[in-house]
Amino acid sequence: AQRVTQPEKLLSVFKGAPVELKCNYSYSGSPELFWYVQYSRQRLQLLLRHISRESIKGFTADLNKGETSFHLKKPFAQEEDSAMYYCALRQGAQKLVFGQGTRLTINP
Amino acid sequence: DAMVIQNPRYQVTQFGKPVTLSCSQTLNHNVMYWYQQKSSQAPKLLFHYYDKDFNNEADTPDNFQSRRPNTSFCFLDIRSPGLGDAAMYLCATSRGGDWVEAFFGQGTRLTVV
Repeated sequence: AQRVTQPEKLLSVFKGAPVELKCNYSYSGSPELFWYVQYSRQRLQLLLRHISRESIKGFTADLNKGETSFHLKKPFAQEEDSAMYYCALRQGAQKLVFGQGTRLTINP
Repeated sequence: DAMVIQNPRYQVTQFGKPVTLSCSQTLNHNVMYWYQQKSSQAPKLLFHYYDKDFNNEADTPDNFQSRRPNTSFCFLDIRSPGLGDAAMYLCATSRGGDWVEAFFGQGTRLTVV
């Protein structure tokens, strides 16, 4: 079964510290993975996708096929990074399968 | 400049009383999705429309139906809401084909009393 697992429901780090949000997936094929973010009182929105290999708001994520992981990283956390983060896997042509999400809190 | 709009933001309905949630989009996207998200759980896809083609997920209960009268609008109908249907319902769109991003509405929180 195609599945996305985010093992941490909650993650709390101090401002300026490195952040890593974990995501593991199971998929028989070549996966297409995304990170979506939901800030307080805002809609779910795309943060980044592995295909573009871009850095958005200082976040990066590398697809590791050997470990079936797509962890989200940022070297220095900022308070405005506090949000709910969802890892997602494209399933078939049109669908997105989401992980349960990690609530990231950045402490001042 | 809202692109995917869900109404209402909060809906309270009685057990067993049919309820309809609505979604509209200004993106002219081909695909519209409905997700159900219960507390502390992943958003779960219920169904999606690719243009007029309806695609139901295998595990979506028959109690949930959808209509898409035109490109801009899509409705989620719950024929006989149960207490277990209380959740956040998210509408999303994508342009279809080799899309790169899904756009979400702010969601409708449904309470069943």
